Amino acid sequence: ETGVTQTPRHLVMGMTNKKSLKCEQHLGHNAMYWYKQSAKKPLELMFVYSLEERVENNSVPSRFSPECPNSSHLFLHLHTLQPEDSALYLCASSQGLAGPGYQETQYFGPGTRLLVL
Amino acid sequence: QKEVEQNSGPLSVPEGAIASLNCTYSDRGSQSFFWYRQYSGKSPELIMFIYSNGDKEDGRFTAQLNKASQYVSLLIRDSQPSDSATYLCAVRGGGSQGNLIFGKGTKLSVKP
Repeated sequence: ETGVTQTPRHLVMGMTNKKSLKCEQHLGHNAMYWYKQSAKKPLELMFVYSLEERVENNSVPSRFSPECPNSSHLFLHLHTLQPEDSALYLCASSQGLAGPGYQETQYFGPGTRLLVL
Repeated sequence: QKEVEQNSGPLSVPEGAIASLNCTYSDRGSQSFFWYRQYSGKSPELIMFIYSNGDKEDGRFTAQLNKASQYVSLLIRDSQPSDSATYLCAVRGGGSQGNLIFGKGTKLSVKP
């Protein structure tokens, strides 16, 4: 496989469930990201990891818990979510965090469409 | 708060015309600028990035950057129906690493 892959592609969960989203990148990149995309809103950066260290956490509720065991894998653990958390969750990776362009360009996975009932 | 603004559209152009997509940003220290295309139900895919003032061309696409006016645009020449998508402008602010600020996107419709 090439690029950035995400599983599952679709997820329906109740508010009391615990689930995890998985992202894997096959590009040899060192940085990985979680984004949330809701209807009529811009992409919202949730977490940034560089060399398995978290470098950014944009005031995300604690019901979202990221994990980066190595530079190729990124997880987003979900628990006691709310219906407003229903969205497309996108994972991305980049070679590094800052320029020149090819180094910091972020490549996206296909996303997980999450519905919280 | 750092913001990236785009006209949500839809922008409708006939096949073969030039589509012009615009983006303004609030952080004057921004250094890196990206255009992504997102088809309905799909994830964003990179079209191109630009760093320096002026034009950057890649095939039918030209990105234009004017840092003094805090403005970046994307021109699509010879527009095709397959170009119909939402175009996202993303900006990395000065001093930030990895933190791209995205606009809401402009929906482009190319009519045959």
